[in-house]
Parts: sequence; structure tokens; C-alpha cells
Amino acid sequence: DTGVSQDPRHKITKRGQNVTFRCDPISEHNRLYWYRQTLGQGPEFLTYFQNEAQLEKSRLLSDRFSAERPKGSFSTLEIQRTEQGDSAMYLCASSLVVVGQETQYFGPGTRLLVL
Amino acid sequence: AQSVTQLGSHVSVSEGALVLLRCNYSSSVPPYLFWYVQYPNQGLQLLLKYTSAATLVKGINGFEAEFKKSETSFHLTKPSAHMSDAAEYFCAVRDSGGSNYKLTFGKGTLLTVNP
Repeated sequence: DTGVSQDPRHKITKRGQNVTFRCDPISEHNRLYWYRQTLGQGPEFLTYFQNEAQLEKSRLLSDRFSAERPKGSFSTLEIQRTEQGDSAMYLCASSLVVVGQETQYFGPGTRLLVL
Repeated sequence: AQSVTQLGSHVSVSEGALVLLRCNYSSSVPPYLFWYVQYPNQGLQLLLKYTSAATLVKGINGFEAEFKKSETSFHLTKPSAHMSDAAEYFCAVRDSGGSNYKLTFGKGTLLTVNP
């Protein structure tokens, strides 16, 4: 257990439905990352937050995806109008950046299946 | 842009045998390199990281990796495999441009340990 929690752990939804995932980082970590991992691949960067500010989004993050980190604590990732191609493991990681150094600690992930 | 190549999507060893998982990186600047392990249906756990200090890095669970600049490699080794080492292993390089420290992962190597 790294101290990063994600909820739910599994989500099955029908195509076209909206889903929301939650990530609770290690307290006092100022950075939070979202990655997506598809079968047989390594995780791919989606977006990251420095405190409550979302600073960069990957081209993988279409306009159906939105992420927030209110008050710089937990974060949510919402997918609207889900598609079968959204089926993947969504991983959250948090870190404390100090003088350019950091280690990202990953949560257990939320596995999404879109039928 | 940085990239990572993991040679061998599947490695099988006998219990007690040497484990060698290969990783080559591409980076225009001195890289930060990481090895993570992922057990089934779980998130990623950090094994070890290289941050331009000692070239031989020791990690958890008896793993170590050696940074070789001339070969652009960061191979992961363990002298004697245990059954509990069976998992998927990911090599990653940290983005060195700007303030986004996103990780770029390889496709992973699945390690099987035979009794």
C-alpha cells in the first residue's frame, strides 16, 4: 500500500454513459498525475496537477475527459459519453517535488470496462 | 523526447536463477530512470530509481540496476529469483523538459518464475 487510494477499483459501464473516478493522494503531496494503461502497454501520461492547478494535458485527453483537483487535495477524472476505446486501467500517482526531485507513488488503479 | 525500450515482453526463469530484465533509453539529457513492478490487478510499486548519483542502484526485494551511459541501458537484475517476484516490470524515464515530470514507460516485461 503506497498511501494513494483510488475509488472505485472496478467500473463497468455502457457506452455513452458518464463515469467519474476519484484519487486520494498522499497527504501533503503537491503533485498529482493521471495515467492510462491499456492491455499489454505501459502507463501513458494523461494530465497532472501542481496543487490545484492543472498544468498540462496530453493529446490523449480528448474533450470528453475532464479532471479536477479542488483545494489541491483529492482529484477526480470524469469521462463523458464513454466509448469502448476508453476501456483501460486509470492510474493516479502523487509526489512531493523538492528541488526538482520527486518520486511518484501510484495508487491501485481503477479498471474501466465499457460495454 | 525521451523513450524507453524494454527488450523481451516475457522472461521466464527458474526459482533461484538470475533475473535480468533489459531496458534501453533514449534521452538528449542525463536521464532520471525508474523501475516499477506491477502485480496482477494492482498499481505500480517503485523498485528503484537512478538520479545521476551512483551508477549502481540498489532497490527493494534484492533488485538492483546499473546505469550505463555508453550503452544507454538501465538493466534490472536480481541474483536469485523467488516465486514472489513473478509480476510485470516497467522501466520508465522522467521527462526532463520544463516542470512536468511525467514518466514515459516501456511496454513492460512479464516475469514468470518456475518452481
